[in-house]
Amino acid sequence: QVQLQQSGPGLVKPSQTLSLTCAISGDSVSSNSAAWNWIRQSPSRGLEWLGRTYYRSKWFNEYGVSVKSRISIKPDTSKNQFSLQLNSVTPEDTAVYYCASLTGDISYWGQGTLVTVSS
Amino acid sequence: QSVLTQPPSASGTPGQRVTISCSGSSSNIGRNAVHWYQQLPGTAPKVLICSNNQRPSGVPDRFSGSKSGTSASLAISGLQSEDEADYYCAVWDDSLKGWVFGGGTKLTVL
Repeated sequence: QVQLQQSGPGLVKPSQTLSLTCAISGDSVSSNSAAWNWIRQSPSRGLEWLGRTYYRSKWFNEYGVSVKSRISIKPDTSKNQFSLQLNSVTPEDTAVYYCASLTGDISYWGQGTLVTVSS
Repeated sequence: QSVLTQPPSASGTPGQRVTISCSGSSSNIGRNAVHWYQQLPGTAPKVLICSNNQRPSGVPDRFSGSKSGTSASLAISGLQSEDEADYYCAVWDDSLKGWVFGGGTKLTVL
């Protein structure tokens, strides 16, 4: 059974960088069949996919259009985890952030982290 | 505006069968496997269905999924009070190159 454990601050100041980490147990971040995603949820935007990283003989990253210029998702093979960095945040980035392992036939989610952007 | 269209609300009485629809397009539901999620207040979405109609272990067989063309449906039979929650569909979109979600359906058990 795959388990995902999120960590990171719940409060970020405007214009700063939001950083979250997702530790994986029960699978490997370097798996050739998994894909590691970040998703957020807010009342105004609903569920919004932010991006993913995955390994298929080499590393790939794909990002959502709404955040493409500000986002970075990176694997850390030494710690079997992956991270999210979202730059230049505004109050509109306030949301519950989830990490998830998602493919057509697999779905595992982290517990969620409420991140508030406020000074 | 969500890429996938769901009715905002649905309701039923205990024991009834309820169906929730999810409408998409040829670039998402028409080509890829649909997920269904249940979300209780303050908790992460819980997967009910993967691969259009496959239940992960531990999900009661009262929940079933189906897909036809560019639409998918979640059926809940033998409705119970604990089924009162928000339900979401999700699928990979080949044109947008990302996962897309429905706006959610709030299920009320009367």
